[in-house]
Amino acid sequence: QKEVEQDPGPLSVPEGAIVSLNCTYSNSAFQYFMWYRQYSRKGPELLMYTYSSGNKEDGRFTAQVDKSSKYISLFIRDSQPSDSATYLCAMTPRGGDTGRRALTFGSGTRLQVQP
Amino acid sequence: DVKVTQSSRYLVKRTGEKVFLECVQDMDHENMFWYRQDPGLGLRLIYFSYDVKMKEKGDIPEGYSVSREKKERFSLILESASTNQTSMYLCASSTRDLVYEQYFGPGTRLTVT
Repeated sequence: QKEVEQDPGPLSVPEGAIVSLNCTYSNSAFQYFMWYRQYSRKGPELLMYTYSSGNKEDGRFTAQVDKSSKYISLFIRDSQPSDSATYLCAMTPRGGDTGRRALTFGSGTRLQVQP
Repeated sequence: DVKVTQSSRYLVKRTGEKVFLECVQDMDHENMFWYRQDPGLGLRLIYFSYDVKMKEKGDIPEGYSVSREKKERFSLILESASTNQTSMYLCASSTRDLVYEQYFGPGTRLTVT
C-alpha cells in the first residue's frame, strides 16, 4: 500500500463548478500537507500548504486537513479553464535539521475545466 | 524569482550509456532533490542533498548516483542507463527549514533505447 493515495482522474468539470480533490495517507507522522499544481510540460509549483489539522483559504482555493481520518482535501470554487492542470498532494513529517527533508507525493489528479 | 534550471528538456540515450543530468538553482538553497515522475506513480524521491558534498538516499536510489560539489549545482548520474530508467526527471530545491516549499525545475524527459 502506498503511503499517500490519490485518485488519478481525469476529472472533467464545467467552468464555474466547485472542484474537490482528495488524498488519503497512512503515516501518522505527517505534519505538513501541501498541494502542488503542475501544468503540462512544467514542473510542479506550490499552491498551498497547511500545518497539522484545520482549514486554510486562499482566494478560490481552500485546503482542509483531517488528521483523525488521515484525509486531506483541496476545494476550488468558481473553477476556470486556467485551473486545468494536474494537482499533486504532498506531505512531510517536519522540516529543519531533523527528520526527513523530502516530500512524499500522491500520484496526482488531472483536472480539466471545460469552458 | 526563484529559478531552478535543468540542463536538458529532452534526452535520448542508449542502454549502457552513462548519463548526466544537471540542475542549478539561484536562490542559495541548502536542500536539493532529484525525483522521477511516472504515470500512476507520482513523484518518487531518488536522492537529496542538504549541503555541499552531503547526500542521502531517497526511496528509489538503485541505479543512480549524485554529486554536489557546489551549493547551487546538483547532478544526477545514471551509471549504466537501462530502459526502465526512461522517465521524467525533476530537480527541486528548498531552504533548510521550509522543506514544504520546494521549487521545481521544468524537468528532463529521458528516453533510454
